[in-house]
Amino acid sequence: EAAVTQSPRNKVAVTGGKVTLSCNQTNNHNNMYWYRQDTGHGLRLIHYSYGAGSTEKGDIPDGYKASRPSQENFSLILELATPSQTSVYFCASGLGGSNTGQLYFGEGSKLTVL
Amino acid sequence: GQQVQQSPASLVLQEGENAELQCNFSSTATRLQWFYQRPGGSLVSLLSNPSGTKHTGRLTSTTVTKERRGSLHISSSQITDSGTYLCAMGPTGGNNKLTFGQGTVLSVIP
Repeated sequence: EAAVTQSPRNKVAVTGGKVTLSCNQTNNHNNMYWYRQDTGHGLRLIHYSYGAGSTEKGDIPDGYKASRPSQENFSLILELATPSQTSVYFCASGLGGSNTGQLYFGEGSKLTVL
Repeated sequence: GQQVQQSPASLVLQEGENAELQCNFSSTATRLQWFYQRPGGSLVSLLSNPSGTKHTGRLTSTTVTKERRGSLHISSSQITDSGTYLCAMGPTGGNNKLTFGQGTVLSVIP
């Protein structure tokens, strides 16, 4: 069974502080993704990666950075957190290439920015 | 950008009834996927269906790409089917970049 693990699962941060959300996958998948989920908006793609060393902007990248130091790890970084970034963040991994699009999601990280 | 609209927003069924969930998308996507999200939890991929009809267990997905619509039929609903069903569409190519709808919240009651 594919496994994607996120940490922390819950985080409370102050406005202007730095937040790092981490994601680890043991599936040896090339592609990894960060989404946020908000009521009324569904899931929206923030950043994604095709492999170690690569990061690409998704649909809502402003205020976020991403880092993919290895095949297994993909981090989402909020350098200066704002209350509007309060949300639930999901990491996902997938094979990419010609596969039919099977994505495996982590359990989510709930971030509250005060 | 691409948009995905799901209906209904919520649905309440008695156990044993069938559910029909709809998904409309704004471009001729080549891949339509359905995900299940348990209350307060993660997402699980149910079906990936670029066109036509696919079955798995009590689930039937139908995608009509030319008409930019898809549906998910759940037969003989069970209480454990309760949760949010998300439709997502993706472009061609292998980056698996998906655009999600807002979901249908299904509640199955005894």
